[in-house]
Amino acid sequence: GAGVSQSPSNKVTEKGKDVELRCDPISGHTALYWYRQSLGQGLEFLIYFQGNSAPDKSGLPSDRFSAERTGGSVSTLTIQRTQQEDSAVYLCASSSLGQGVETQYFGPGTRLLVL
Amino acid sequence: AQSVTQLDSQVPVFEEAPVELRCNYSSSVSVYLFWYVQYPNQGLQLLLKYLSGSTLVKGINGFEAEFNKSQTSFHLRKPSVHISDTAEYFCAAYSGGYQKVTFGTGTKLQVIP
Repeated sequence: GAGVSQSPSNKVTEKGKDVELRCDPISGHTALYWYRQSLGQGLEFLIYFQGNSAPDKSGLPSDRFSAERTGGSVSTLTIQRTQQEDSAVYLCASSSLGQGVETQYFGPGTRLLVL
Repeated sequence: AQSVTQLDSQVPVFEEAPVELRCNYSSSVSVYLFWYVQYPNQGLQLLLKYLSGSTLVKGINGFEAEFNKSQTSFHLRKPSVHISDTAEYFCAAYSGGYQKVTFGTGTKLQVIP
């Protein structure tokens, strides 16, 4: 079946604009994760969804970042008033039940560049 | 708090030579460990994971890792690398409950022909 898909694959925006990043998880996966990958920083956890609720938002770097998930499927990560330090690759992953021992399946990422 | 350390940011190695990518974790409780690989312009995919049982775990593409509780390590090894193994490798740990999976900063493996 289809894997995790993300759109857009690349996004260039101007400082101060809002951006929306989309993640389409594997069908039937209840857990969905957002990570940020910056040069030399590894993978930074942002937020985790179990179904449509987000029990762990601890990784969101500021109140400019928000995410939602509807219908237990597609998720959108929104960054308001983008800053240059938001430039990174944003990765989405899903797993079947959200238990930490499960394999996470990653999408190809969205490369965000804030000018 | 749980942490994962990958001391080597880059590891160059000649083709057909052996390689070891180091990973150390800190956790006061039982831990589950993973290695993921990210090929250029792709998402991460699971190489192998340790949940319990045998401390030597075999994964895809000829990789294996050994869980060493006394040294809090989970080093990744391959006896003979190929050009196609050039990628970034991430170690990750999970301690159970509601805690998230914690990833290391990654090690770039560069296989030299």
